[in-house]
Amino acid sequence: ETGVTQTPRHLVMGMTNKKSLKCEQHLGHNAMYWYKQSAKKPLELMFVYNFKEQTENNSVPSRFSPECPNSSHLFLHLHTLQPEDSALYLCASSLLAGSYNEQFFGPGTRLTVL
Amino acid sequence: GQQVMQIPQYQHVQEGEDFTTYCNSSTTLSNIQWYKQRPGGHPVFLIQLVKSGEVKKQKRLTFQFGEAKKNSSLHITATQTTDVGTYFCAGVGGSQGNLIFGKGTKLSVKP
Repeated sequence: ETGVTQTPRHLVMGMTNKKSLKCEQHLGHNAMYWYKQSAKKPLELMFVYNFKEQTENNSVPSRFSPECPNSSHLFLHLHTLQPEDSALYLCASSLLAGSYNEQFFGPGTRLTVL
Repeated sequence: GQQVMQIPQYQHVQEGEDFTTYCNSSTTLSNIQWYKQRPGGHPVFLIQLVKSGEVKKQKRLTFQFGEAKKNSSLHITATQTTDVGTYFCAGVGGSQGNLIFGKGTKLSVKP
């Protein structure tokens, strides 16, 4: 629909597992974002990449490791997560990073940490 | 860091009633964006306001940006069940000038 896809859509993992979330955008954008959405903090910015370079890390714990190999793909590597990390993880893209650019969101990955 | 405060957190209306959500910042905003997230869906961009005192309309939705650029509102006239969802405002925050989202207003509409 929006040109931003995310896989998997649902993920259940144990605290000792290692998994990765994938995001791909087909809009020709240069900026990509990871957000965490939970009941307590509805849309919490985690990371921002602009032209493949990380421009913001919003004090995210190191158990979350982003990777942006090119402007179209964004990954979030997960390891040793905690139950409180259970949330909807949303990827977004925009033409450029910064507040004036409309963001296009993917459908999200619903993560449950047991 | 800068925050955008949004009220109310929840709003329940009867279909046909009007609805308004407010977004406030302690500092001047360069611009503000509004998004809508349907239940089970993802945020979708609605509009961006940039100019002081700006008013924009989309059918039954009216968006306003305050004269001091510290507040904004979204007003829906004669709500319909299709208006159900959470409405987020977003303004500049953080060290890199990225968008920071308010906590949203969750609208439910009773038919």
